[in-house]
Amino acid sequence: EPEVTQTPSHQVTQMGQEVILRCVPISNHLYFYWYRQILGQKVEFLVSFYNNEISEKSEIFDDQFSVERPDGSNFTLKIRSTKLEDSAMYFCASSEIYGVGEQYFGPGTRLTVT
Amino acid sequence: GENVEQHPSTLSVQEGDSAVIKCTYSDSASNYFPWYKQELGKRPQLIIDIRSNVGEKKDQRIAVTLNKTAKHFSLHITETQPEDSAVYFCAASTGTASKLTFGTGTRLQVTL
Repeated sequence: EPEVTQTPSHQVTQMGQEVILRCVPISNHLYFYWYRQILGQKVEFLVSFYNNEISEKSEIFDDQFSVERPDGSNFTLKIRSTKLEDSAMYFCASSEIYGVGEQYFGPGTRLTVT
Repeated sequence: GENVEQHPSTLSVQEGDSAVIKCTYSDSASNYFPWYKQELGKRPQLIIDIRSNVGEKKDQRIAVTLNKTAKHFSLHITETQPEDSAVYFCAASTGTASKLTFGTGTRLQVTL
């Protein structure tokens, strides 16, 4: 069964550094998402992406964040200057159908900012 | 924006008993309600979902009910097993926006 994959599984970085989190969505999916989950808390929406542009973003997704689909398979989340409070698990998700389509989550990247 | 509340935050049941988790949502435009199971350190996995044109959906030991008038939906797990132990999240989506708004999660523990 196809799955969303993410790399790396764990990223440790120093405050102020840039990080890029990578995701490979399910191949026939057209809609991509990033969510984050601070340890012990609920999953929070960051951004959705379709047709090479952002569809929607949350208030968390400020100017320090950006997303890109650099090729036909990868979907990336960049944090330009990491802060301590960016430490969280970041999940990529994809869906085949916009809106009411099921979203399938990747295994996550645990980002630790020191 | 949408706000999803989930209760209880923790639930302990004996193996074989039933478990019920309840969620309420605020946005009457929400029309898609998935439930995710998350084991420790793992990804959220979709276990069942319901759309607003349906009042109830069942898949083996798992069922979900939706009351649009009251804006609440519930997850029912019957004949619980130890492997059902996990954190369960409800979520809501308005469809058009597509993002999922998650509840705060319920930690279910099934004891022998």
